[in-house]
Amino acid sequence: GAVVSQHPSRVICKSGTSVKIECRSLDFQATTMFWYRQFPKQSLMLMATSNEGSKATYEQGVEKDKFLINHASLTLSTLTVTSAHPEDSSFYICSARPKAGAGYTFGSGTRLTVV
Amino acid sequence: RKEVEQDPGPFNVPEGATVAFNCTYSNSASQSFFWYRQDCRKEPKLLMSVYSSGNEDGRFTAQLNRASQYISLLIRDSKLSDSATYLCVVNPPSDSNYQLIWGAGTKLIIKP
Repeated sequence: GAVVSQHPSRVICKSGTSVKIECRSLDFQATTMFWYRQFPKQSLMLMATSNEGSKATYEQGVEKDKFLINHASLTLSTLTVTSAHPEDSSFYICSARPKAGAGYTFGSGTRLTVV
Repeated sequence: RKEVEQDPGPFNVPEGATVAFNCTYSNSASQSFFWYRQDCRKEPKLLMSVYSSGNEDGRFTAQLNRASQYISLLIRDSKLSDSATYLCVVNPPSDSNYQLIWGAGTKLIIKP
């Protein structure tokens, strides 16, 4: 089945530093990649939609200058959390749809802890 | 009203029992529906799509009721390994990016 590889799985960083999270579609081309954030005991919240070769679309309340998204190829999308703060600590997950009508495949998630 | 609503639970169910939970959605024109399963501190995994005529996959049965705008998930002969949070997901219409609307999840605990 379709696989989305996400890494790192876990990262601890100091406040003020930047962290890059990568998601790769391994056996399909992902023209669109979705980035979610999930706080403990809450549902997934869509942060942004990453489109290959164009600018990402951000959800209301998500700072585009803080959460930089790059989708330079059909198999790779990256999310960079810039100047991270403790409140950015969360579980970040990417997702893509291998084909129309199919379910969405998720990366394994990145647990970010900012200290 | 939330776009997708689920009873958060937890549902505490003895092993071997049958359990069912629903999910309501607000947009009557929604096109696609899914159930995902999420284990603690892991990513969601697709359990099954929900088709208009209802569908079954082993012990799991999913149904769609468009008139009342809800989907349901039935688990028969529940196993300890079924313990997880079950997320209802709806794909709204006219969205070129195929964004998903997620329910907050129903937590299921199967007890021996």
